[in-house]
Amino acid sequence: DAGVTQSPTHLIKTRGQHVTLRCSPISGHKSVSWYQQVLGQGPQFIFQYYEKEERGRGNFPDRFSARQFPNYSSELNVNALLLGDSALYLCASSLDTLNYGYTFGSGTRLTVV
Amino acid sequence: RKEVEQDPGPFNVPEGATVAFNCTYSNSASQSFFWYRQDCRKEPKLLMSVYSSGNEDGRFTAQLNRASQYISLLIRDSKLSDSATYLCVVNAGNQFYFGTGTSLTVIP
Repeated sequence: DAGVTQSPTHLIKTRGQHVTLRCSPISGHKSVSWYQQVLGQGPQFIFQYYEKEERGRGNFPDRFSARQFPNYSSELNVNALLLGDSALYLCASSLDTLNYGYTFGSGTRLTVV
Repeated sequence: RKEVEQDPGPFNVPEGATVAFNCTYSNSASQSFFWYRQDCRKEPKLLMSVYSSGNEDGRFTAQLNRASQYISLLIRDSKLSDSATYLCVVNAGNQFYFGTGTSLTVIP
């Protein structure tokens, strides 16, 4: 079975641009969450979706948005990119939002120049 | 104050040693708890969930103390392959909080 897949794996953008990151969950998983990880720190929670509805939001500016589609895949959008948005963006999926741990994809490494 | 706090280490232990990691969390309404391991430049992988009664998976034992808001992970008979960063994760109100991770190096 395929795990959580993310695309693209690497991305270089310029300040002020917009980026869309994509995630396909494990088949049967209805919950998807997004995280930002900078070097030397643990992942920071951005969003959680379950059954296409936003269920949780971390402390990130409104430049960050996401959505979940009927097939449970998800997109993370970031507008007006800043240098500080450079990070590894991780997507994770789970059967539900509470009782099961999340399985992570290998991430998208975003560099903003 | 951070939602989840961990001792960043590093912990350098010989093969066969027993090592314990601790984690504290600030939100008393937290509902579920996990330990993840993360290898260098890889994604985090779920190691085990943590239950109030404590739980064991082979050489790994996790414990939760809700009164003290404290989670622990014990690794017995350390192997070289246990070298990684161990992340404590707390689910509070549909927000997942990761600790900064504790680095473990097992030395031959």
